[in-house]
Amino acid sequence: DTGVSQDPRHKITKRGQNVTFRCDPISEHNRLYWYRQTLGQGPEFLTYFQNEAQLEKSRLLSDRFSAERPKGSFSTLEIQRTEQGDSAMYLCASRKGGPGYSGRNTIYFGEGSWLTVV
Amino acid sequence: SQQGEEDPQALSIQEGENATMNCSYKTSINNLQWYRQNSGRGLVHLILIRSNEREKHSGRLRVTLDTSKKSSSLLITASRAADTASYFCATDLQNAGGTSYGKLTFGQGTILTVHP
Repeated sequence: DTGVSQDPRHKITKRGQNVTFRCDPISEHNRLYWYRQTLGQGPEFLTYFQNEAQLEKSRLLSDRFSAERPKGSFSTLEIQRTEQGDSAMYLCASRKGGPGYSGRNTIYFGEGSWLTVV
Repeated sequence: SQQGEEDPQALSIQEGENATMNCSYKTSINNLQWYRQNSGRGLVHLILIRSNEREKHSGRLRVTLDTSKKSSSLLITASRAADTASYFCATDLQNAGGTSYGKLTFGQGTILTVHP
């Protein structure tokens, strides 16, 4: 257990439905990342936050994807109008970041949330 | 192609043998990290090597980094059946200020199978 919690661990949904995943990072970590991993591939970066600020979202796969971290603690990733191609594992990660932490801090991943769109 | 690419894609060895996995990348990095992933599970951090380091050890793991060749290797010595997993290298790029964002770019991974 790395200390990064994700919920739910598994979600099966019908095409067209909306889904939301939650991530609770390690408490003192100010940076939070979302990744997506499809079968046989490495994780792919989606977006990240420093505290409550979303510093990059250009890698979000489409405008159906959105992420929030309203109080700088937990984060949610929402996928609207799901498609079968959205089936994947969605991984959350966290670390300390900012001035003075460059390159020295390990990034810790959660166990992931599996999404199956039927 | 992805920033980090592992070689080989799959490796099958006997318990007690050493396993070597290689990773190549394309652009300047702040650090390179190796992760392990058991089937269907999350990623477990193994080791981080900074761009100014050439070699690092952690238990049975040895990582090397050659920034002139933009490559890294992970050696697992005296492998065990429990080492069976996928192994990924991930690069943490250097930004204009010389620091990193912590946005990792992963390769496709090496699937390691250790037979008892």
